[in-house]
Amino acid sequence: GDSVTQMEGPVTLSEEAFLTINCTYTATGYPSLFWYVQYPGEGLQLLLKATKADDKGSNKGFEATYRKETTSFHLEKGSVQVSDSAVYFCALSSSGGSYIPTFGRGTSLIVHP
Amino acid sequence: NAGVTQTPKFQVLKTGQSMTLQCAQDMNHEYMSWYRQDPGMGLRLIHYSVGAGITDQGEVPNGYNVSRSTTEDFPLRLLSAAPSQTSVYFCASRLDRVAFFGQGTRLTVV
Repeated sequence: GDSVTQMEGPVTLSEEAFLTINCTYTATGYPSLFWYVQYPGEGLQLLLKATKADDKGSNKGFEATYRKETTSFHLEKGSVQVSDSAVYFCALSSSGGSYIPTFGRGTSLIVHP
Repeated sequence: NAGVTQTPKFQVLKTGQSMTLQCAQDMNHEYMSWYRQDPGMGLRLIHYSVGAGITDQGEVPNGYNVSRSTTEDFPLRLLSAAPSQTSVYFCASRLDRVAFFGQGTRLTVV
């Protein structure tokens, strides 16, 4: 079945540091890939997505590229801010899973001033 | 836009009590689902629905019931609460593979 594996946290960075959160997946068919963000006390919200190989999703300075050959969708940001502190979830949706989203376990990001 | 609305935000139950977590969406999405979020476990799917009158079990359905009489509402019922059901519960709808989440209900069973 479908599965998503992402790096465990917490990831602790200083403001303006470079961020990478690794995500790899297993899926049947051709999945769509997503990053969701959860700020403290809130529900998850979509951060970015990519629907086919080599697509790059981007939003709020975050980027991730759909790499079919390595089954990866790593999240990156060139310069993090304190306000980026949150939990980040990698997810996929595929026809093999009836399009029911499959989520990774989440990676907590803590950014210090 | 209201999106997905969950009530209540917080609830404390005694073991054996029953309650219903409410979820409503105003986006006319056919697909709705319930997750629970526990530390170190990520999000686990409890039940889902692909439209009014149609529901199915997810990964962890035991102890929970759902029904879907309208497109807008998808309540989650705990028939006899147990301490193992202490968790944060999220309702979500979905459109074009993108999930839209409510703010969550933090439930404590003592």
